[in-house]
Amino acid sequence: NAGVTQTPKFRVLKTGQSMTLLCAQDMNHEYMYWYRQDPGMGLRLIHYSVGEGTTAKGEVPDGYNVSRLKKQNFLLGLESAAPSQTSVYFCASSQRGRGAGQETQYFGPGTRLLVL
Amino acid sequence: KQEVTQIPAALSVPEGENLVLNCSFTDSAIYNLQWFRQDPGKGLTSLLLIQSSQREQTSGRLNASLDKSSGRSTLYIAASQPGDSATYLCAVPISSGSARQLTFGSGTQLTVLP
Repeated sequence: NAGVTQTPKFRVLKTGQSMTLLCAQDMNHEYMYWYRQDPGMGLRLIHYSVGEGTTAKGEVPDGYNVSRLKKQNFLLGLESAAPSQTSVYFCASSQRGRGAGQETQYFGPGTRLLVL
Repeated sequence: KQEVTQIPAALSVPEGENLVLNCSFTDSAIYNLQWFRQDPGKGLTSLLLIQSSQREQTSGRLNASLDKSSGRSTLYIAASQPGDSATYLCAVPISSGSARQLTFGSGTQLTVLP
């Protein structure tokens, strides 16, 4: 199994450009998440999904949109990139456990985004 | 709002030393607490997950404890090795109603010197 993969690994954008980050998992996990990590800070949740066709806002959703049309894929879109969105973006997935609190999240390798 | 703090931000120790990393959180109504490892330029790898009903979890040379009442967790690494050098992050659910949404500490960057 490849686990969680992210495409692309690195991207440079100009302010105002748009792009989509792709996350794919082959573990048949129900839940998927997008985080951003900035220097000196922990990860912050952008959006998440509890199943195919469903999405929800996390801690820092402004400026981002997501879609989960297929169970294995979770897309993160930036409609009009801003320098404040320069960050490392991580996708994660987890499987439905026997109860809340028993689910480990598995992370992808990250996408480094630079917005000029 | 749940806030997670990790102290120290960086730690350097000689090989073979036992060490403790600290994590504190403000809302004790948590389902679990997780410890992750992050290598430079890489994603996160889950090390240990402690459920709210547990006091500690062990995996090899790693032992994590949880004291919900005081809002604290520690990660104990025994007989440290240069390969343990990485950033260690702890995470807890954002709120009692959102078990799967995690909030992270800013991490402790560990360097084990040969």
